[in-house]
Amino acid sequence: GAVVSQHPSRVICKSGTSVKIECRSLDFQATTMFWYRQFPKQSLMLMATSNEGSKATYEQGVEKDKFLINHASLTLSTLTVTSAHPEDSSFYICSASPIRNRGYNEQFFGPGTRLTVL
Amino acid sequence: SQQGEEDPQALSIQEGENATMNCSYKTSINNLQWYRQNSGRGLVHLILIRSNEREKHSGRLRVTLDTSKKSSSLLITASRAADTASYFCATAAYSGAGSYQLTFGKGTKLSVIP
Repeated sequence: GAVVSQHPSRVICKSGTSVKIECRSLDFQATTMFWYRQFPKQSLMLMATSNEGSKATYEQGVEKDKFLINHASLTLSTLTVTSAHPEDSSFYICSASPIRNRGYNEQFFGPGTRLTVL
Repeated sequence: SQQGEEDPQALSIQEGENATMNCSYKTSINNLQWYRQNSGRGLVHLILIRSNEREKHSGRLRVTLDTSKKSSSLLITASRAADTASYFCATAAYSGAGSYQLTFGKGTKLSVIP
């Protein structure tokens, strides 16, 4: 159980186009989903936290108009990179926290999406 | 902000040896977790240790937590070539927005030589 999928796993696009990445919790409902980005040989940096039905909370330095997050249902969150540029090329990873109270909200991670902007 | 700091940044050992990685952090936490990531892949959750725990075992993994020193260590015993990966610690703290946030360290790249 607790499987999170991401689609696509890899995307290559031209500069100026928009790219949508989907994150789905397959066998559980998630109150909260998180989006991270990871540059080569670096750690994961939290970009934003999204709660179903409300606006995402962005980390400092992350442009909300650049990285649009929609958490439309308890099993789906999307990240849209608008007007992508080569510097947006990165590994984007989502995670999801299930609806259960164990004193801590576990996060289950998706396999990541490799975005390359030409 | 980056909180966890692992050391060493890279570690190369022979198969069968033990590997020890350390992690330090700066603020109060609810728990600390260790993850593994193979090159270009997603994260695999290894083990979670709560702030009121001092040591935890899972198979060949042993994690310690010293909240007074704000540090943790991950020990992998009898290493195998398949353990080659990057290992990250992540601290969990309540974000105040109804969820716990994870803050990842920079990671230790472990190479186990057959």
